[in-house]
Formats: sequence, C-alpha cells, structure tokens
Amino acid sequence: QKEVEQDPGPLSVPEGAIVSLNCTYSNSAFQYFMWYRQYSRKGPELLMYTYSSGNKEDGRFTAQVDKSSKYISLFIRDSQPSDSATYLCATGFNTDKLIFGTGTRLQVFP
Amino acid sequence: DTGVSQDPRHKITKRGQNVTFRCDPISEHNRLYWYRQTLGQGPEFLTYFQNEAQLEKSRLLSDRFSAERPKGSFSTLEIQRTEQGDSAMYLCASTSAPARQETQYFGPGTRLLVL
Repeated sequence: QKEVEQDPGPLSVPEGAIVSLNCTYSNSAFQYFMWYRQYSRKGPELLMYTYSSGNKEDGRFTAQVDKSSKYISLFIRDSQPSDSATYLCATGFNTDKLIFGTGTRLQVFP
Repeated sequence: DTGVSQDPRHKITKRGQNVTFRCDPISEHNRLYWYRQTLGQGPEFLTYFQNEAQLEKSRLLSDRFSAERPKGSFSTLEIQRTEQGDSAMYLCASTSAPARQETQYFGPGTRLLVL
C-alpha cells in the first residue's frame, strides 16, 4: 500500500465549477499537509499548507484535513481555465522528506 | 529572480555517461532538497542538506548518485554511469529551518533523458 493515495484523474470540469480533489494517507502520525500545483513541465508550486486537522481557506482555495479518516481535500471554487494543472498532495512527519501523491490532473474548460 | 533555480533545464545523454545538475536555493534558505519525478508520478524524496551537511539519503539514491553542497549554498547532484531508468525530472527545493511553518519551495527542475 502506498503511503499516500491520490486519484490521477484526469478530472474535467466547466469553468465556474467547484472542484474537489482528495488524497488518503496511511500513517496516522503524519502531521503536515500540503497541496502543490504543477503546470506541465514546471516545478511544483505551493498552494496550501496545514498542520494537523481542520480547514484553511485562501481565496478560492480551501484545504481540509480529517485526521480521523486520514483524508486530505482541496476545494477550488469558481474554477478557471488557468487552474488547469496537476494538483499534488503531500504529507509527512515534518516539513522535511515530504511524501507526495501521484497528482490529479485537472482540466477546466471554458 | 529570488526563487530556486536549476541548471540545466534539459539534459540528453547516452547510457553510461556521467551527468551533473546544479541547484541554487533561495538565498536565505539553509535546507536544500533533491527529488526525482517520473512521468505520471509525484516527486520522490532523494536527499536533503542543512547547510553543507547531508542529513538524510533515500534508499532510491544508489551508489551511482552523489550530492554535495560544499559551502552551504548551491548544490550539485551527479549521476554516474547513467541508465535509461534514470530518465526523470530532477527537482530541487529549499526552505529555512527550523521553522515549523516553513515548507519547501521548488525550482523548475532538470529534465533528464538517457538514450
């Protein structure tokens, strides 16, 4: 079993839709949770960072961590074509040695 | 530009050749990380440095791989006797530590193709 599982997609949605991206992880001791966005042939870009359980909101993005079910979510409201990218979840015991999911490819069409 | 930079951005080599990649972290960051990313996968941790000290190496880092950060600033990753399975994107990231709220900022990557 992989330490972090993520549906690779692709996920295709119309502009303006609410997007839900999810990951599950296996180790209950993981405390740090991140979401990165990666455009084609570019390095990952940090979107959201949370420590422990709860919600965190930043503009159109909301990150949610449910440690009881070992479930990580990213919600994108009012999705835009510029949001088309691969979204990577990452977690770990600390902020070193991050463990990434495979990434979900998102396509937002006009 | 104050971000993480990597050089070269692309490298094509023949099997058996040695290659070296360079990473320049964000200037005030004392931790530097190397990852490998293959097509359709997330980045996989290879190794990291705090200043010039290499603190951890993944089992993925075979003895053909060596990384250095001699002055605690830029880092190099060398792959000796390259194999086709080494073809991947090699990513560098940096952060400042210890700082609980800090996380890693990535460079654009070096894409390696071994023929």
